[in-house]
Parts: sequence; C-alpha cells; structure tokens
Amino acid sequence: DAGVTQSPTHLIKTRGQHVTLRCSPISGHKSVSWYQQVLGQGPQFIFQYYEKEERGRGNFPDRFSARQFPNYSSELNVNALLLGDSALYLCASSFAPIATNEKLFFGSGTQLSVL
Amino acid sequence: RKEVEQDPGPFNVPEGATVAFNCTYSNSASQSFFWYRQDCRKEPKLLMSVYSSGNEDGRFTAQLNRASQYISLLIRDSKLSDSATYLCVVNEISNSGYALNFGKGTSLLVTP
Repeated sequence: DAGVTQSPTHLIKTRGQHVTLRCSPISGHKSVSWYQQVLGQGPQFIFQYYEKEERGRGNFPDRFSARQFPNYSSELNVNALLLGDSALYLCASSFAPIATNEKLFFGSGTQLSVL
Repeated sequence: RKEVEQDPGPFNVPEGATVAFNCTYSNSASQSFFWYRQDCRKEPKLLMSVYSSGNEDGRFTAQLNRASQYISLLIRDSKLSDSATYLCVVNEISNSGYALNFGKGTSLLVTP
C-alpha cells in the first residue's frame, strides 16, 4: 500500500512568486494536515482538513491557504513568497481528525527554497 | 512563550545507557500527547502515545503529569539505532480548532 505521497519533492522559487504543494493521503484516510519545518526546529502546524472542511489553523499569515478535494488529497498554496518561507513542508494523514488520539502518518515532505 | 518546550540536547550516551527526555506544555486544556521520532532528513514517525496512567512499549516508557503539565520519555538499554531527534507533541484546541503542537525536538546520539 502506498504511504502518504507529496509532490514535488524539491522546489526552488523566487521572492514574490506563489507555490502549490500537493499531498495524497493513505487510502482510506480522510484527514490531512500540513506542517512547516525549518531546519533545526520542530514541525509547525499550518492547517488540518477533515472531510474537505478546515478543522484547525495554525499561526500563519493569510498568504497560506489550503484545500481538500473529494478524493481527500490536498493542496497547500503559499502566495507572495518570502525568504523565510524556505522550509520542509510536511503533509500527514490519518483516518480521523487530530481531535482524536489518532496516529499521524507523514509524507517525506517538499523541500521549498525561496531565493 | 513557546507552547511546547524541550531541552534540545544533544544527549550523547553510550550503548546500554538509560536516558530520559522531558517536555513541558503551556496549555492546560491540552488533550492528548505523543512522542514522535525523526531521523535526519526523514519524516517524523509516531513512537508512542502518552496516557495519563503512563505507558510502556518495550524499552520505552512515557509518563504524563497533567498537574505539572509535564511529559517524559525514558529509554532503557539504548541502542545505536535509537540515535534520532525525539519530538514531544501536544494536541490542543483553540479558537481556530484543533492543532498539533510540536516541540523543537531533543537530539539523541548513542555511541558504541
């Protein structure tokens, strides 16, 4: 069975551009959450979606947005990129929302570099 | 103030040693707690959930003290393969919904 897949694996953008990152959850999982991990730090929660509805939002500016599709895959969009957006973006899936004591399965991440 | 705090380490221990990691959290309404393990340049993977009564999984023991808002992880008989970063994770509810808050992680290096 495929795990959580994220694309692309690496991406280089320049300041001011926008980016779309994609995530496909494990088959049967209905919840997807997104995290930003800067080198040397723990992952920071950005969004959670469950059954196509936003169920949680972290402390990120409105330049960050996301959505979940009927097949439970998800996109994370970041507009007006800043140098500080350079990070590893992780997607995690679970069957139930993170309101429960549910195990998360992480993808390998998208490494975004903003120049 | 950081919501989930951990000693970043690094903790350098010899094989066979016992090592303990601590974590504190600031939101008393936090509902569930976890330890995740992250190897260098890899994604985090769940090590264990942390229950109020404390729980054990082989060489690993997790404890939760809600009154002190403190979580611990004890690793006995350390193996070289235990070398990794250990992330303390707290599930919280806020006005924006549910969120998983990660600590910065504690780095462990087990040496021969």
